Amino acid sequence: GAVVSQHPSWVICKSGTSVKIECRSLDFQATTMFWYRQFPKQSLMLMATSNEGSKATYEQGVEKDKFLINHASLTLSTLTVTSAHPEDSSFYICSARRQDTGAFFGQGTRLTVV
Amino acid sequence: AQTVTQSQPEMSVQEAETVTLSCTYDTSESNYYLFWYKQPPSRQMILVIRQEAYKQQNATENRFSVNFQKAAKSFSLKISDSQLGDTAMYFCAFIYSGAGSYQLTFGKGTKLSVIP
Repeated sequence: GAVVSQHPSWVICKSGTSVKIECRSLDFQATTMFWYRQFPKQSLMLMATSNEGSKATYEQGVEKDKFLINHASLTLSTLTVTSAHPEDSSFYICSARRQDTGAFFGQGTRLTVV
Repeated sequence: AQTVTQSQPEMSVQEAETVTLSCTYDTSESNYYLFWYKQPPSRQMILVIRQEAYKQQNATENRFSVNFQKAAKSFSLKISDSQLGDTAMYFCAFIYSGAGSYQLTFGKGTKLSVIP
């Protein structure tokens, strides 16, 4: 199957700082990538859809100024959590859409804000 | 809008036995993909099996097979010869297969426990 790499897999940061998470499709071009947040024992909650070369589309209730998404190339999308606070602590996971076969997921990033 | 429903929040199965996880969906589209993803405690989302809606033949991957009933909008996952490593959350998912940035729609998941 297709490979999607997400980095870092685990990060701790101080409250008020920013954290950048990268999502790379290693062996295919992904015009569309998705960013999810997952709370414990729950399903994935879509935060935003990232299209290469254009602005991301955010889901209702997701602060676009807090969760900055950049999709600068066909293989890389980044999510930056700005001015992070403890309530932003969560598991963030990206997926990249491969047109002919569906969506593949990164390993996820566990963010802890202290 | 598409919806995916998994009616079994939790299930358990004895090791080496067979278990079936249910999934129903609702869509007005005719061309789409359906997936089963496995999320073990590591939280990595692992693709278990994929089904194209235009294919009548049910997909199989080793011990995993699906029963795809397009008219009934049902997509169940059968796990044969269950192993301890199958213990995980299982998510059923849907995505439109046309061009465009259509999102993956997930069910709420079924927590499967394989009992030794």
